Amino acid sequence: AQKITQTQPGMFVQEKEAVTLDCTYDTSDQSYGLFWYKQPSSGEMIFLIYQGSYDEQNATEGRYSLNFQKARKSANLVISASQLGDSAMYFCAMNSGYSTLTFGKGTMLLVSP
Amino acid sequence: SQTIHQWPATLVQPVGSPLSLECTVEGTSNPNLYWYRQAAGRGLQLLFYSVGIGQISSEVPQNLSASRPQDRQFILSSKKLLLSDSGFYLCAWSVYKNTGELFFGEGSRLTVL
Repeated sequence: AQKITQTQPGMFVQEKEAVTLDCTYDTSDQSYGLFWYKQPSSGEMIFLIYQGSYDEQNATEGRYSLNFQKARKSANLVISASQLGDSAMYFCAMNSGYSTLTFGKGTMLLVSP
Repeated sequence: SQTIHQWPATLVQPVGSPLSLECTVEGTSNPNLYWYRQAAGRGLQLLFYSVGIGQISSEVPQNLSASRPQDRQFILSSKKLLLSDSGFYLCAWSVYKNTGELFFGEGSRLTVL
């Protein structure tokens, strides 16, 4: 069985600073994928970034990067130069093979001016 | 380009009444389709997913059901709503055999009174 743990219910960051949202996972599969989604107050879920378990490089997408530490089973999301529009709920998720995604409980990020 | 729409956006229903939420995808063929529920302050719970017309997998036993009458149409139903059915319902699709990167609809907020 797969499990995703996000230990930070809420995080605060000032505009233009970087922030790290934690995610640890548990799986017995060797091949798996890790994902981050953003949910603004409107409710829609937006895909941000993906990391494959065999990818040697950390994934990056613009201001988002995934700090993948396989031995520690962690897949933290780093947002650089935070913007007010980054205030949202962030979910870490994983899957393996053709299994459906397992989501964590999320971290609420608030960016202050 | 692909789009996904679900409706209604907001629904207030009395206990014991029926429910029908509809989701349609455009611009792609043979998608995987999903229904998730998000209770207040919690993560996403997968309710149903479908890999083809008439093929429905249920993840959580409950008084909800799902149907896929057409390739790009996914319907969530209930004959008699319970208070515990209140929540935010999200429809999503993914490319066939790719269960990782999900594309979500706008969501439907259901309040059962």
